[in-house]
Amino acid sequence: LAKTTQPISMDSYEGQEVNITCSHNNIATNDYITWYQQFPSQGPRFIIQGYKTKVTNEVASLFIPADRKSSTLSLPRVSLSDTAVYYCLVGDARGAGNNRKLIWGLGTSLAVNP
Amino acid sequence: GAGVSQSPRYKVAKRGQDVALRCDPISGHVSLFWYQQALGQGPEFLTYFQNEAQLDKSGLPSDRFFAERPEGSVSTLKIQRTQQEDSAVYLCASSLVGGTDNEQFFGPGTRLTVL
Repeated sequence: LAKTTQPISMDSYEGQEVNITCSHNNIATNDYITWYQQFPSQGPRFIIQGYKTKVTNEVASLFIPADRKSSTLSLPRVSLSDTAVYYCLVGDARGAGNNRKLIWGLGTSLAVNP
Repeated sequence: GAGVSQSPRYKVAKRGQDVALRCDPISGHVSLFWYQQALGQGPEFLTYFQNEAQLDKSGLPSDRFFAERPEGSVSTLKIQRTQQEDSAVYLCASSLVGGTDNEQFFGPGTRLTVL
């Protein structure tokens, strides 16, 4: 069973870079690593996805080491509006093919302070 | 553009009542997912459709839960004989193509409270 482990909470200040690391020791060969953001009373929102090395988009970067047993979401220069819960997901290796359901953990609650 | 919509946004039911929750995915999206999210927890997978086919229903907690997507677009999650432990936010998500590891677009959720 693919499982992810993330810190339960993190604190930061406006303008700082925030790095959230997720461990996924049992990641399957074909699994992607996906991160979502969720604000209170809203559905989650896709942030970024990667398979290996580094992926960057307009909001974040995702660093994945060669063994793929962990990944780090990097948020540059956070603002108050980045206060949210961040989820790291990998596929549930019990399934087969690309229809394995994703396992959501508790996520990391990020608080950005002024 | 229109995103995923869910109705009702809030539902209060007495224990033992049946409820039906509706999800309108983004037009043309092949995949549709239902999740249950308890307070302070992450979303828990319930079921997954690819078009009208329900490919995975392993997350449905009991036979009181039933989901359908008869024409491959709108989906309904039905809960029969609701119990207090069914109180949660029910999230619907859709994605453009088949498979479970593509970007999912979520609706705002339906908050179900069972008294």
